[in-house]
Amino acid sequence: NAGVMQNPRHLVRRRGQEARLRCSPMKGHSHVYWYRQLPEEGLKFMVYLQKENIIDESGMPKERFSAEFPKEGPSILRIQQVVRGDSAAYFCASSPDRGTEAFFGQGTRLTVV
Amino acid sequence: AQRVTQPEKLLSVFKGAPVELKCNYSYSGSPELFWYVQYSRQRLQLLLRHISRESIKGFTADLNKGETSFHLKKPFAQEEDSAMYYCALSRQGAQKLVFGQGTRLTINP
Repeated sequence: NAGVMQNPRHLVRRRGQEARLRCSPMKGHSHVYWYRQLPEEGLKFMVYLQKENIIDESGMPKERFSAEFPKEGPSILRIQQVVRGDSAAYFCASSPDRGTEAFFGQGTRLTVV
Repeated sequence: AQRVTQPEKLLSVFKGAPVELKCNYSYSGSPELFWYVQYSRQRLQLLLRHISRESIKGFTADLNKGETSFHLKKPFAQEEDSAMYYCALSRQGAQKLVFGQGTRLTINP
């Protein structure tokens, strides 16, 4: 099992562009979580998804951010019209069931220039 | 509000010395507490959780509800313990984690 795979590892976008971050959970895992880590801060929860459903999006900014976890394929975190403040490391984690240990990916470092 | 505080951003100790990484939390209910570790160039991984009461790699952590603390301890530090350590909490049975800011532990030879 290759573990949670995130790509790209590094992403540079100009202000106003769109950023798409991908997360392939571990085999057999149907629960996915996204976290954001701003410089000098801890990880902050963004959204929790289960196949085709958003379970908890209480940490998602109200505008420009969206997430999906389709029946087939990876989970996608999408940031439209990026601004400098979106520069951060974005981590994805997956678990087989609710309440069980979540395994983290290596993260995507987004830089907005 | 749920909050996790790790008062030390950096901690440096000598090999063989005891280590204690501090973690305090605020939560109105009964939380689950965790320690995560990130070694250089590796992904974040679970080190231990309070409900399992295990010792992993010589580390232990005891939940003190009176002091709302969950400090991570190891009696004799090893060089391979150098890493970033994050304390986190969640509501029991939930998966949404609240993380502290992390402590970078450096073990000097």
